[in-house]
Amino acid sequence: GAGVSQSPSNKVTEKGKDVELRCDPISGHTALYWYRQSLGQGLEFLIYFQGNSAPDKSGLPSDRFSAERTGGSVSTLTIQRTQQEDSAVYLCASSFLGADTQYFGPGTRLTVL
Amino acid sequence: KQEVTQIPAALSVPEGENLVLNCSFTDSAIYNLQWFRQDPGKGLTSLLLIQSSQREQTSGRLNASLDKSSGRSTLYIAASQPGDSATYLCAVRQGAAGNKLTFGGGTRVLVKP
Repeated sequence: GAGVSQSPSNKVTEKGKDVELRCDPISGHTALYWYRQSLGQGLEFLIYFQGNSAPDKSGLPSDRFSAERTGGSVSTLTIQRTQQEDSAVYLCASSFLGADTQYFGPGTRLTVL
Repeated sequence: KQEVTQIPAALSVPEGENLVLNCSFTDSAIYNLQWFRQDPGKGLTSLLLIQSSQREQTSGRLNASLDKSSGRSTLYIAASQPGDSATYLCAVRQGAAGNKLTFGGGTRVLVKP
C-alpha cells in the first residue's frame, strides 16, 4: 500500500505567518510521530500520538507549535507566528501499535524568510 | 538525557571498499537501536533494528553490531557500491513505552566509482 505522505513538500513563508503541515500515515498505523531536521541540530523528536492516548508533546520547542490528529489518522502540525529558526525539514513517521519500525514520509521543507 | 553521536560526519571511499560507520550513545539503558538511510531530499528508510538483547543483525551486505554496555553500535557495509552513497543515521529508543527515537547527527557517505 501507499507509504506515509506529507504535504506540502515545500513551504516558503514570511516571518510571523502561521503554517500548517499535513501528514497522512500508513493505513492502519496507530502511532504517529513528528520530527524536525535542521542544520546544526540534527533530527529532533517533536510529538507522538498513540491511538486515543494523550499525545507526548515533550519535544515541542515552544507554545507556538501544536499538533492534532483527527480520527486517529491524518495529523496536522501547526506553527504560529513563524520565526526564521523554524526553518527546517519536518518529517512525519507512523508505526503499528507495539511495532518498532517507524516508516517515514518524505518531509516538508519549511523556509521562513 | 540521551545523546547519540556519529563519527565520522562524512566519509568518502572508492567502490568496493568496506564501510564502517560508528554510533555511540551516553545512556546504555536502551530498548533498541536502529540504523536508517536518508537520500537527499527524501525521508528515512529503516535498514536494521537491533533489540537491546541482541548483539548483531544482518541484512544482505549490511551488518550492525551492538555493545550496549559500552554504548556503541557499528554498521558495516561490505563491498560498497556507488548506490550506497547516502546519509546514514542511527537512533535509539529508550523505553518500551513510547516509540520516540533519539537520533545521531548522521554520517554522510560518498562511494566513488
